[in-house]
Order: sequence, then structure tokens, then C-alpha cells
Amino acid sequence: DAGVIQSPRHEVTEMGQEVTLRCKPISGHDYLFWYRQTMMRGLELLIYFNNNVPIDDSGMPEDRFSAKMPNASFSTLKIQPSEPRDSAVYFCASSLGQGNQPQHFGDGTRLSIL
Amino acid sequence: GENVEQHPSTLSVQEGDSAVIKCTYSDSASNYFPWYKQELGKRPQLIIDIRSNVGEKKDQRIAVTLNKTAKHFSLHITETQPEDSAVYFCAAYSTLTFGKGTMLLVSP
Repeated sequence: DAGVIQSPRHEVTEMGQEVTLRCKPISGHDYLFWYRQTMMRGLELLIYFNNNVPIDDSGMPEDRFSAKMPNASFSTLKIQPSEPRDSAVYFCASSLGQGNQPQHFGDGTRLSIL
Repeated sequence: GENVEQHPSTLSVQEGDSAVIKCTYSDSASNYFPWYKQELGKRPQLIIDIRSNVGEKKDQRIAVTLNKTAKHFSLHITETQPEDSAVYFCAAYSTLTFGKGTMLLVSP
């Protein structure tokens, strides 16, 4: 299995632009998680889906952030408009079962907002 | 919600020494405790996990212990090697919450 696949690996864009991060979970996994990692705040859970349905989005920092999962093999995290404080590494992870099962992380997207 | 405290934030050891990282959690309903290793610039990877019906689990040089009464669990690495240098995260699941991480530095 190829594992969780994220794209792009790196994104540099100017403040105010729309940013879209993409994730393909491991085939057969029914949970998908989006995390943000910064030095100051560590690894934060933003939102997670079960069978393509958003279950908990309480970690989404503000309305500028949105996430979708149109099918079992694809999810997006969108930031519009982007701000410099959104600069971070964004990880997608998937699991077979909820948090009490091992999560498999993608390689992350390093986002820099200038 | 769950709150996970992890200590120490950094840990420096000599190659061959043992390293111990400790975590405490707040929600007595938590029943799953994974540990992840993250090398610089890489993704977190699961290295070992333990469930609440088990007190200790070992896999070669790494082991995890769980004390449900005291609500703490620990990662033990024996015979450390330079390639063990990384950031280690604990997590606790009732809602999956990660600790802030421990940077382990193993000097040759």
C-alpha cells in the first residue's frame, strides 16, 4: 500500500490567496484526520471524518478554514483567505476505526504564507 | 475533554543509556495510548501502543507502561542509539489528544 498521500509537499503563497491541501487516505480506512503542527502549539487536530462525514470540526481555528471529503479516497483542506499565521505543517492521517486504532500519517504539506 | 501532559520537553542521553518519557492524562475513560516518533522533517510514525487492559508492552528496545490508577504512562527506550534521536509524542484516546512532544537527543 502506498500509504497516505498528501499534496503538495510544499506550498508558498502570498497572504490573501486561497490554499487547497489534498489528501488520499489508505484504501479501506474509514477515518480521516487533518492536523496542524507548529513549534508553539504542537500537533493539533483540526477535523476528522468518518465514512466521508465530518464528525468533529471543533479544532478548525476559524471560518477561513474548511474541509471536505467528497468520497472515500479524497479529502481537501482549504484556507481562504490565507494569513501568515497559518504557516505550519499540515498532516493528514487515516485509520481503520476511530482514535483507538493506529493512525497512519501522510508526509505532510509545509505551508508558508508570506 | 482530554488533557495530556508530557515530560520532559527535551532529553539528552549518551549512546547506550536508557531514556524514559512520561505522560499523564486526565480522562479516566481513555483506553488507548499510542506513541509516535517523528524524525526531523518527517511524518509521525507509530512505534508502540498500549490499551487500558494491559499494564506493560515491550517491542525489542522499547517498552510502554501504563498506570491507570495514577493516569500516567511512560515510554522506555533501552540501549539508545543515535538513530533514536527524534521527537516522541504520546497520545491518549477518549478523544485523541497528543502531548507536546519530547525531543530526544542521543549523543555517540
